[in-house]
Amino acid sequence: AQKITQTQPGMFVQEKEAVTLDCTYDTSDQSYGLFWYKQPSSGEMIFLIYQGSYDEQNATEGRYSLNFQKARKSANLVISASQLGDSAMYFCAMSSGSARQLTFGSGTQLTVLP
Amino acid sequence: NAGVTQTPKFQVLKTGQSMTLQCAQDMNHEYMSWYRQDPGMGLRLIHYSVGAGITDQGEVPNGYNVSRSTTEDFPLRLLSAAPSQTSVYFCASRGYSNQPQHFGDGTRLSIL
Repeated sequence: AQKITQTQPGMFVQEKEAVTLDCTYDTSDQSYGLFWYKQPSSGEMIFLIYQGSYDEQNATEGRYSLNFQKARKSANLVISASQLGDSAMYFCAMSSGSARQLTFGSGTQLTVLP
Repeated sequence: NAGVTQTPKFQVLKTGQSMTLQCAQDMNHEYMSWYRQDPGMGLRLIHYSVGAGITDQGEVPNGYNVSRSTTEDFPLRLLSAAPSQTSVYFCASRGYSNQPQHFGDGTRLSIL
């Protein structure tokens, strides 16, 4: 069975500082994908970043980077230069299996302080 | 540029009633799925489809039915609503396997 664990229910960060949101995963599949989504208070799910299990370089998208440590089965999201608009719930998810269905973690509520 | 469209956005039902949540996508995506989101639990997969005529169960399928007669549409049916089905429901679609899923705006469903 696939499992995603996010151990930080809530995090606070000062504006303009960097923050790391933790994500560990468990799968027996060799081929899988890791995703991070942002859910603001308005409720929509916004895709942030993707890392494939065979990708050797860590993924980056603007202020977002994914710290992928395959041996440790971790896929932490790093947000640099936090902004007030980054306050939201963040979900880590993994795609695996023949249909590559997504399994989500329970989320981390990030609050950026002015 | 509609993407994934879910209707209705809000719905209140009485226990035992049935209803269909609609989902349509205009991106010609083969894969579509339904999730429910409950407080503190993230999103859980209800049913998914890898193409027209093909559906399969996810993690929490009980009490829900789906069908996929066209590539565009993937409705979710509640057969006999129960208070435990009070939740926010998201429909999503994607193209090939490593693409991110595109989500609809969600349907907030309350069962009294």
